[in-house]
Amino acid sequence: DFQMTQSPSTLSASVGDRVTITCRASHSISSYLAWYQQNPGTAPKLLIYKASTLQTGVPSRFSGSGSGTEFTLTISSLQPDDFATYYCQQYDDYPWTFGQGTKVEIK
Amino acid sequence: EVQLVESGGGSVQPGGSLRLSCAASGFTFNNHWMHWVRQAPGKGLVWISHINNDGSSPHYADSVKGRFTISRDNAKNTLYLHLNSLRVEDTAVYYCARDPTGEYHFDYWGQGTLVTVSS
Repeated sequence: DFQMTQSPSTLSASVGDRVTITCRASHSISSYLAWYQQNPGTAPKLLIYKASTLQTGVPSRFSGSGSGTEFTLTISSLQPDDFATYYCQQYDDYPWTFGQGTKVEIK
Repeated sequence: EVQLVESGGGSVQPGGSLRLSCAASGFTFNNHWMHWVRQAPGKGLVWISHINNDGSSPHYADSVKGRFTISRDNAKNTLYLHLNSLRVEDTAVYYCARDPTGEYHFDYWGQGTLVTVSS
């Protein structure tokens, strides 16, 4: 199985900060990577797919980059709604696997 | 508006069974592959199963293979997950999720239904 490792596990930041989360795959997954945001008690929400394509309706402050084994999710200017947990997911090969999550909390 | 509404969760003893349902609306159900993803309390997301448009090709994670069965009724716009031989470690919120077009990621999610396996 592909292992997906996110760093950091927790990130403390303030409104307006630029935030970057990294996701590393155990094997190359080309660009078959998605990013999700999850607020406590709610379902995940798709932010980005194919490593860098913004899902319709997602604010442009979110961006994704990378290919192969290393990927990043960047929030250019953190907003109050962005304090949440973020997961990456590979869909290059079965079973589809997620990173362990990165919690973005208020500093 | 795309809506996915799960139901059927509850408390069950180890070895028991449940059937989860996911009612879909707001889109052409039989155009989309569908998935089940679960999340144990305080833990991350784990994909467990998906099924193609016409229901002919299900796939499972090893952790549930042989115990869980995914199915769909396109006439009723409903996805199912039959859970058998349940274990304590199957305790989780179970989400159904839509696949955009057989791309193996998830563009819409239901609100989830909680399954608790405990003696």
